[in-house]
Amino acid sequence: QKEVEQNSGPLSVPEGAIASLNCTYSDRVSQSFFWYRQYSGKSPELIMSIYSNGDKEDGRFTAQLNKASQYVSLLIRDSQPSDSATYLCAVTGSQGNLIFGKGTKLSVKP
Amino acid sequence: GAGVSQSPSNKVTEKGKDVELRCDPISGHTALYWYRQSLGQGLEFLIYFQGNSAPDKSGLPSDRFSAERTGGSVSTLTIQRTQQEDSAVYLCASSLGVDQPQHFGDGTRLSIL
Repeated sequence: QKEVEQNSGPLSVPEGAIASLNCTYSDRVSQSFFWYRQYSGKSPELIMSIYSNGDKEDGRFTAQLNKASQYVSLLIRDSQPSDSATYLCAVTGSQGNLIFGKGTKLSVKP
Repeated sequence: GAGVSQSPSNKVTEKGKDVELRCDPISGHTALYWYRQSLGQGLEFLIYFQGNSAPDKSGLPSDRFSAERTGGSVSTLTIQRTQQEDSAVYLCASSLGVDQPQHFGDGTRLSIL
């Protein structure tokens, strides 16, 4: 069974700090990796995609991928209370669907 | 708007009734996905359509669930003889193709009494 593992949290960080979210996956052939943000009662919203090893930066967000370690992470710099949400890691499965982790709940305290 | 559109947004029905959920993907997106999310749980893959290929039904939880996609665009997810455990938010997503980012609709919240 292909799996995506995330720490469920909650992860609590003070406003202005860096939040670090981590994800591991079991399927070595996965090629595409995504981070989604989901506010309570809302649908997932894509915030980052990454396809190759290394770092990818977009504004306050940086995604990091290490395929050898089967590890993907998301860093949120200068965290804001509005970043408080559940962050879902997703990895493409062999059938083309996305396999989601159960998410890490992030709380940014003012 | 240009996003994924789902209807109805909420559906309340009695146990044993059939329900149909609709998804209208982003124009030009060839791939369409259905997921289910129970309260406080992660997303569960149900079914995936890619172009004119046969759908991947590997995630459907029982033969009461079926889906079709007409003309490569709009999709309908049908649940027959609904059970209370079918209560969840049903999410549809679309993408330009395999390995491309998926964009989600607002979902249909299904409640079975």
